[in-house]
Amino acid sequence: RKEVEQDPGPFNVPEGATVAFNCTYSNSASQSFFWYRQDCRKEPKLLMSVYSSGNEDGRFTAQLNRASQYISLLIRDSKLSDSATYLCVVNMNTGFQKLVFGTGTRLLVSP
Amino acid sequence: GAVVSQHPSRVICKSGTSVKIECRSLDFQATTMFWYRQFPKKSLMLMATSNEGSKATYEQGVEKDKFLINHASLTLSTLTVTSAHPEDSSFYICSASGLVRTDTQYFGPGTRLTVL
Repeated sequence: RKEVEQDPGPFNVPEGATVAFNCTYSNSASQSFFWYRQDCRKEPKLLMSVYSSGNEDGRFTAQLNRASQYISLLIRDSKLSDSATYLCVVNMNTGFQKLVFGTGTRLLVSP
Repeated sequence: GAVVSQHPSRVICKSGTSVKIECRSLDFQATTMFWYRQFPKKSLMLMATSNEGSKATYEQGVEKDKFLINHASLTLSTLTVTSAHPEDSSFYICSASGLVRTDTQYFGPGTRLTVL
């Protein structure tokens, strides 16, 4: 089983739609979780952290379900500029910081 | 704040040459720097973790003699790809974490290496 697993997509949605991504992780001892955004041929950029029961930032909401070992990202009122690859990232907490990246979910928002 | 730069952004070299990539934290002291590699349509893979003034810790399967990492100061780490071959062509990205938010990594813009 992969350490961090995501549906690669692509998710094709129209502007204004609500879209949700899920991510599962294998290490139950993982403590911190993140969503990063990566545009084509660019570096990942931190979108939001998910530390406890969830986090909301404007149109973006991240939820954590420890029992089922998954986190989700909800994007409301999608914009064209939201088109990117969304990376689920887990800190494995193996004594020092080690981020494990999912392969990413690609989102395409169309007019 | 928390800006990380990388240089060069793109490099093309001949097989057998060595390439050095610099990673700098511009506005904070990076106690730990990380080097990742990303192949097309794949996820970022951690290559090594380095703490200032000490030897880097390499991930399994990453050759330390081929990928030389130096973290001589709190603002600079370098990755040298020695005797590069076409299979080393990839997107190399560094990240840095500092004294305040040790659980947050700030990524550089990446270096695209093409070995002919």
